[in-house]
Amino acid sequence: EAAVTQSPRNKVAVTGGKVTLSCNQTNNHNNMYWYRQDTGHGLRLIHYSYGAGSTEKGDIPDGYKASRPSQENFSLILELATPSQTSVYFCASGDPDWGVAEQFFGPGTRLTVL
Amino acid sequence: GDSVTQTEGLVTLTKGLPVMLNCTYQTTYSPFLFWYVQHLNEAPKLLLKSSTDNKRTEHQGFYATLHKSSSSFHLQKSSVQLSDSALYFCALSEGPNYNVLYFGSGTKLTVEP
Repeated sequence: EAAVTQSPRNKVAVTGGKVTLSCNQTNNHNNMYWYRQDTGHGLRLIHYSYGAGSTEKGDIPDGYKASRPSQENFSLILELATPSQTSVYFCASGDPDWGVAEQFFGPGTRLTVL
Repeated sequence: GDSVTQTEGLVTLTKGLPVMLNCTYQTTYSPFLFWYVQHLNEAPKLLLKSSTDNKRTEHQGFYATLHKSSSSFHLQKSSVQLSDSALYFCALSEGPNYNVLYFGSGTKLTVEP
């Protein structure tokens, strides 16, 4: 059984619309992360969280909000979607081991903004 | 972002040949280095990790040695297989926030028959 799941797996949205990407983890990890993956850029961190109620900005937070209502769930919200946000989005969870959080990734969500 | 550099965007090899994928990093803190592998349409998965200077770490036939003197953590394999075709990411964790990983831009490895 997959430990990190994402929904939806594919999404087509219109410019200016609101998009919510959801992530659920059963690893009981404290940390959760949202990345986007674009060719030539690798994985870039958008937001992350240390636990329920916590959200932190990553490297590219502009245009995105995050919500962590519980240990298991972490959402990424695009209030006003733009075509530049077309990408593949990955959620991950992790817990510090020797002080470093090894991360476990979900299957990804492909978002297209028209 | 700029903390991790992978110089090859695309590597194509014939099955059975050795491979080395380059990874260098910049940090003023004690580093933790990772290699992640992502097969087509799958999630990235951890392949190797290390924080020990000059010690070789191995997994699934791949190996890497962290060299702090040259700020490098190159990934190697002595004989690549068709199933090794994938996207490989090097990642760095550094202080003061070791909870965050910085990924390189990735190297796409294609192994041909």
